[in-house]
Amino acid sequence: EVRLVQSGAEVKKPGESLMISCKASGYYFAMNWIAWVRQKPGTGLEWMGITYPDASLTRYSPSFQGQITISADKSISTAYLQWSSLKASDTAIYFCARVRGVGDDAFDIWGQGSMVTVSS
Amino acid sequence: EIVLTQSPGTLSLSPGERATLSCRASQSLSSNYLAWYQHKPGQAPRLLIYGASSRATGVPDRFSGSGSGTDFTLTISRLEPEDFAVYYCQHYGRSPHYTFGQGTKLEIK
Repeated sequence: EVRLVQSGAEVKKPGESLMISCKASGYYFAMNWIAWVRQKPGTGLEWMGITYPDASLTRYSPSFQGQITISADKSISTAYLQWSSLKASDTAIYFCARVRGVGDDAFDIWGQGSMVTVSS
Repeated sequence: EIVLTQSPGTLSLSPGERATLSCRASQSLSSNYLAWYQHKPGQAPRLLIYGASSRATGVPDRFSGSGSGTDFTLTISRLEPEDFAVYYCQHYGRSPHYTFGQGTKLEIK
């Protein structure tokens, strides 16, 4: 079974750093792009960026460029989303998702989501 | 940057009825790279349609996608109780942009 399993909920203070993870199983991790998507409370889905594990390529949405770092370690089939200094406005659910094809394509497998709460 | 506008914002229907959801793009989409997702509270989004009209694996045939250029439609032929959710369209053809629409909430009337 193809699965993406994300790390658990986090509660952080403003200014703290954080890395959340997304572990893949059931397919060859290195050959599909992995995307990160944000859902802030009461709002819709926002694409943040994507990474290609086999070549360490990463692309960011202009809205998130410079605010986050996306990476992957193909040796352990895991993708990461990290912040160096969290803000209260980063409070959201974060989903990872697999891009279904080799190039630009839809997101066919999703992680269960990681809730991040940033509050003083 | 391509903007996707979904309508209506909320659609109130009864089980057994037909649902028609619209997604309009601010520019013509290359190769109809348009997907539809279903999202229920507390769950991960689920891919329904890709390439504007191809059903994803395991998606019931009551779900269908159509359209091209700037106008796209998701149709649910006969609503089942489990179909009430939020639906998003997404463009994925002009990397690095994977734009989502703002969503249509399909609620029970």
